[in-house]
Amino acid sequence: AQTVTQSQPEMSVQEAETVTLSCTYDTSESNYYLFWYKQPPSRQMILVIRQEAYKQQNATENRFSVNFQKAAKSFSLKISDSQLGDTAMYFCAFMIHNNNDMRFGAGTRLTVKP
Amino acid sequence: ETGVTQTPRHLVMGMTNKKSLKCEQHLGHNAMYWYKQSAKKPLELMFVYNFKEQTENNSVPSRFSPECPNSSHLFLHLHTLQPEDSALYLCASSQDGQGAPNEQFFGPGTRLTVL
Repeated sequence: AQTVTQSQPEMSVQEAETVTLSCTYDTSESNYYLFWYKQPPSRQMILVIRQEAYKQQNATENRFSVNFQKAAKSFSLKISDSQLGDTAMYFCAFMIHNNNDMRFGAGTRLTVKP
Repeated sequence: ETGVTQTPRHLVMGMTNKKSLKCEQHLGHNAMYWYKQSAKKPLELMFVYNFKEQTENNSVPSRFSPECPNSSHLFLHLHTLQPEDSALYLCASSQDGQGAPNEQFFGPGTRLTVL
């Protein structure tokens, strides 16, 4: 069975600084996808960034980037130049290729302080 | 209306009540999902519908009954719930197909409290 672990229940960062959120996963599959979702307070969950396991290059989306270490089964999210609007719950998720069953971690609550 | 909408946004019910949650997606997607989000726990996938056909049922108790009359609408019928069923219920949709998975778009959720 696939599991996703986020070891940091809560984190905080000063505005404009950089923060890294950790995620590890466990699977015997070789073809899969990894995601980071953001859930702001009382707002809808949205996709932040996605990584295909077969790609060696780390995905980037503006201030968001990932460090994907396939052998270590690690998928961390780096947020650069943190903004107050980045305050949210962040969920790491995993999905096997051609399978709708997305598995989520328990989430990390990130607070950006002014 | 755009995206994924859910009604009601908040629901309080007794254990003997029967209620339904509604989800509607305006994105032309062909797959819809129900998730349960409890505090400090990972999101739990409950049901998946592809092209109106249920493809996943992750051992959800029978007191939760899904219905997908068409690819745009998804319901979750609730009856004789337990207090531990109190949670945020999220609906999502995606355009399912071969190749790389498409993003799941989430609704705002229904905050359910069972007394």
